[in-house]
Amino acid sequence: QKEVEQDPGPLSVPEGAIVSLNCTYSNSAFQYFMWYRQYSRKGPELLMYTYSSGNKEDGRFTAQVDKSSKYISLFIRDSQPSDSATYLCAMRVTGRRALTFGSGTRLQVQP
Amino acid sequence: SQTIHQWPATLVQPVGSPLSLECTVEGTSNPNLYWYRQAAGRGLQLLFYSVGIGQISSEVPQNLSASRPQDRQFILSSKKLLLSDSGFYLCAWSVPATVNEKLFFGSGTQLSVL
Repeated sequence: QKEVEQDPGPLSVPEGAIVSLNCTYSNSAFQYFMWYRQYSRKGPELLMYTYSSGNKEDGRFTAQVDKSSKYISLFIRDSQPSDSATYLCAMRVTGRRALTFGSGTRLQVQP
Repeated sequence: SQTIHQWPATLVQPVGSPLSLECTVEGTSNPNLYWYRQAAGRGLQLLFYSVGIGQISSEVPQNLSASRPQDRQFILSSKKLLLSDSGFYLCAWSVPATVNEKLFFGSGTQLSVL
């Protein structure tokens, strides 16, 4: 079983829709949670970073962490065609160097 | 502001040939540096990280090696490439010794070994 599970998609939504992207994890030692956006053949770009349960909002993006359920989500409001990309969740155990990444969910926002 | 440069963007190499990928960071001193590999449809795998000049740690046994000859320069190498070395290679940096260490990636190198 992978430490981090993420549905690969693709997830196709119309422009303006609310998008929900999710990851589940099995290691309760994960303390830091990140979401990256990756356009085709480009490096991942850090979108959101959080280390506590609850919600964190930044513009159209909201990151949600539920440590009791080992579940994290990224919500995108008013989705735009420019949001079309692969979204990767990532997590870190305190004191461990490596991030553990999900395999990514490909999102397509149709104009 | 900090920037990271990685080159080349695309590389096609025959099996058994050598490899050298280079990454440089600007606008910061003594960064932590990382090499990740991303296989198609899979998550990123950490290959090497460095906390200072000449200090390299390997996360997985493999056909590759890394070096850090200067503070902001990180090089990924191989003496003889294998087919299984194909993939998307990403260099990344972070500010060390912070509780909320955040990783910033370069634009990546798509390596095809034929």
